[in-house]
Amino acid sequence: KQEVTQIPAALSVPEGENLVLNCSFTDSAIYNLQWFRQDPGKGLTSLLLIQSSQREQTSGRLNASLDKSSGRSTLYIAASQPGDSATYLCAVTLRGGGNKLTFGTGTQLKVEL
Amino acid sequence: DAGVIQSPRHEVTEMGQEVTLRCKPISGHNSLFWYRQTMMRGLELLIYFNNNVPIDDSGMPEDRFSAKMPNASFSTLKIQPSEPRDSAVYFCASTENYSNQPQHFGDGTRLSIL
Repeated sequence: KQEVTQIPAALSVPEGENLVLNCSFTDSAIYNLQWFRQDPGKGLTSLLLIQSSQREQTSGRLNASLDKSSGRSTLYIAASQPGDSATYLCAVTLRGGGNKLTFGTGTQLKVEL
Repeated sequence: DAGVIQSPRHEVTEMGQEVTLRCKPISGHNSLFWYRQTMMRGLELLIYFNNNVPIDDSGMPEDRFSAKMPNASFSTLKIQPSEPRDSAVYFCASTENYSNQPQHFGDGTRLSIL
């Protein structure tokens, strides 16, 4: 059974700092990996999707990398801002698993002024 | 462009009552998913549909839960009878019928069973 873990569970940083969120998964036979953001009382917003054949994806200040063989992904946020404060979740889709997403436990990020 | 629409946003009811959650996916999306989020278990997939057909319902907790998708623009998740342990936030998501497309989530229904 695929298990997805995120470390740290919570993180507090000063504004402007660069930071890295970590995601690990136990079954490397993934189809893709996605990073989501969740604001309090809201649904999830997809940030980046990395295909299993890709190594990284970038969108603005966000960069996600994927190392399938080691079962790891990182989300790099450059020059963090208070508006980045949210919970970040990673999720994987297994090969042959249809569109089923298995979610990680999430990292709660707070960017302070 | 309207996103995934869920109703109601909040529901408070007494145990034993029937609860119906509703979802309207994004127009043109062929896949629809129901998730449940709790502090203890995180986000869990309950069931998903492709082209209105249930594909995988292995996440549905028990027979008290049922889901339907009578057409491409509407789905329901029903709990009957409801129990306090069903209290959670229930999300609906949709995507185009490809595994390499991101899922788009609604804002969820916060369900409290007293």
